[in-house]
Amino acid sequence: ILNVEQSPQSLHVQEGDSTNFTCSFPSSNFYALHWYRWETAKSPEALFVMTLNGDEKKKGRISATLNTKEGYSYLYIKGSQPEDSATYLCAFRLWGETSGSRLTFGEGTQLTVNP
Amino acid sequence: DSGVTQTPKHLITATGQRVTLRCSPRSGDLSVYWYQQSLDQGLQFLIQYYNGEERAKGNILERFSAQQFPDLHSELNLSSLELGDSALYFCASSVGQGANTGELFFGEGSRLTVL
Repeated sequence: ILNVEQSPQSLHVQEGDSTNFTCSFPSSNFYALHWYRWETAKSPEALFVMTLNGDEKKKGRISATLNTKEGYSYLYIKGSQPEDSATYLCAFRLWGETSGSRLTFGEGTQLTVNP
Repeated sequence: DSGVTQTPKHLITATGQRVTLRCSPRSGDLSVYWYQQSLDQGLQFLIQYYNGEERAKGNILERFSAQQFPDLHSELNLSSLELGDSALYFCASSVGQGANTGELFFGEGSRLTVL
């Protein structure tokens, strides 16, 4: 059974604070790590797809890093804004997984940014 | 707008009944995935189709079935419904067969309530 763990479960920050979350996944047979942003009453939207150890990706104030050897990824938000309030999901795929192309999702980190 | 269309958006039915959820993927996407999100749980993978063929199966109950049609739309059939089947059901699509080839694009979900 794949275990994708995200921490913290929830986070409340003030506008302007920088924050980061963690996604832990099995380090063996890694293939890809995805980050999604899920706003209330909307559908999840992809932020990053990362495949290489040491990958760093950035989109505006949001960035992510990947360590496949130790099995973790960090998502950073610089200068949080109220519109960043959402649940951030990471999802993991194994290499050569015989059961196909599923992405296994973590339960997410719920971020609330207070004005 | 992700380009993935799900119908119906909301559905209320009784135990023992059968429902069908429908999904139209983004234009050009060949893979369709179904996920279930129950209360206080993360996204649980149900099943994946690629160009009409089943590619991966998750923890999908025997009472549930799905198919992908030649025009690439997909249907998820839920039968002998139980209270515990109440959940938000997401459809997602991607270009290729593997989730690693790119991000998933999610529909807005179908919220099923079983009374």
